[in-house]
Amino acid sequence: NAGVTQTPKFQVLKTGQSMTLQCAQDMNHEYMSWYRQDPGMGLRLIHYSVGAGITDQGEVPNGYNVSRSTTEDFPLRLLSAAPSQTSVYFCASSQNPGMGQPQHFGDGTRLSIL
Amino acid sequence: GQNIDQPTEMTATEGAIVQINCTYQTSGFNGLFWYQQHAGEAPTFLSYNVLDGLEEKGRFSSFLSRSKGYSYLLLKELQMKDSASYLCAVVNTGGFKTIFGAGTRLFVKA
Repeated sequence: NAGVTQTPKFQVLKTGQSMTLQCAQDMNHEYMSWYRQDPGMGLRLIHYSVGAGITDQGEVPNGYNVSRSTTEDFPLRLLSAAPSQTSVYFCASSQNPGMGQPQHFGDGTRLSIL
Repeated sequence: GQNIDQPTEMTATEGAIVQINCTYQTSGFNGLFWYQQHAGEAPTFLSYNVLDGLEEKGRFSSFLSRSKGYSYLLLKELQMKDSASYLCAVVNTGGFKTIFGAGTRLFVKA
């Protein structure tokens, strides 16, 4: 049972480049989210989705785009990478956090912007 | 606004009991989660509270007071493997946004 799969695990980009972080889940969860984690700042919500075709902004959405064309996939796009986007990115899925069902996290993508 | 506060670091001794506090001020409340995160790994679920009171799960217990905007995670019979970060997370009204605190790094010493 794969759970939440994130690719790539590591990536180095140059300032101004664009890229897509992939996230896929095989648990048929409706709710998916993207977080970034920086030292001393915990997990900050970038974007989230409550089902296919529905996305919304989190706490720190600027510089990132998302789409949700299927229940399984929730890619995160960096439009023009900046050094401030150097971070560890986690994707998570849940059936319904508001009903006490926890989020399941992927292993993370460690992204460095030079 | 939204604010979740936890102590940055705590140290405790193997076999002891430790309490990690979390206070929150959020726009709406629909439950509180505790997650454990070992260094370099993904967070994993520990507990969930939505009503006032204590939830017990083996060596881990979590308490919630909604009127005080306060929760704590209690770890008993500490083991070295409990050295990790512990993240408090609040679900907003509607259940769509989960906001995390900065986490508490727990060091367990022999």
